[in-house]
Amino acid sequence: DQQVKQNSPSLSVQEGRISILNCDYTNSMFDYFLWYKKYPAEGPTFLISISSIKDKNEDGRFTVFLNKSAKHLSLHIVPSQPGDSAVYFCAASRASGTYKYIFGTGTRLKVLA
Amino acid sequence: GAVVSQHPSRVICKSGTSVKIECRSLDFQATTMFWYRQFPKQSLMLMATSNEGSKATYEQGVEKDKFLINHASLTLSTLTVTSAHPEDSSFYICSAREVNGNQHFGDGTRLSIL
Repeated sequence: DQQVKQNSPSLSVQEGRISILNCDYTNSMFDYFLWYKKYPAEGPTFLISISSIKDKNEDGRFTVFLNKSAKHLSLHIVPSQPGDSAVYFCAASRASGTYKYIFGTGTRLKVLA
Repeated sequence: GAVVSQHPSRVICKSGTSVKIECRSLDFQATTMFWYRQFPKQSLMLMATSNEGSKATYEQGVEKDKFLINHASLTLSTLTVTSAHPEDSSFYICSAREVNGNQHFGDGTRLSIL
């Protein structure tokens, strides 16, 4: 039972354009969501998070949007840069993040120069 | 920022060997650490939650006698894959949780069983 889903396994975007990565979840108990970036043979690195009391959180080029009614979140990267090319995982948690994280299957982003 | 060190980064060994992987939080104390396994092109699957000074909590389907976890101090958790077989070959990643709830990941261990 995949509680967190990323339905797009890959995405290609031109440098300078916006990258939009999507994530859906099924468990309404989740109240904390995160995005991680991962390079091959490395551990995930934290990008940005959002609590369910918000619908948007912004940090530089990265913005996460949360639609609780649709159980959907998205990560926007603008402008996209070649160094952003990596696998992006969304994760969900309960109890404001103090509970274990459940990860999605990842989306491989390729930013073309 | 917070750093988690995972060692070794790569292990190649014969079938039947037991392999120990270490996860250390270098600049913070972690009462809770997590062990994940990642198959190619798949998600990070949580295997177990490691609590300092107590038994680990295993996720459904994970054999606790196969994957031994020890969290003897606030900065160190170990995962031992006992009598490893080729199907245990995978990428294993640990994470350590700070008091504020943030999780920091190690760089993973690529385990290859011949």
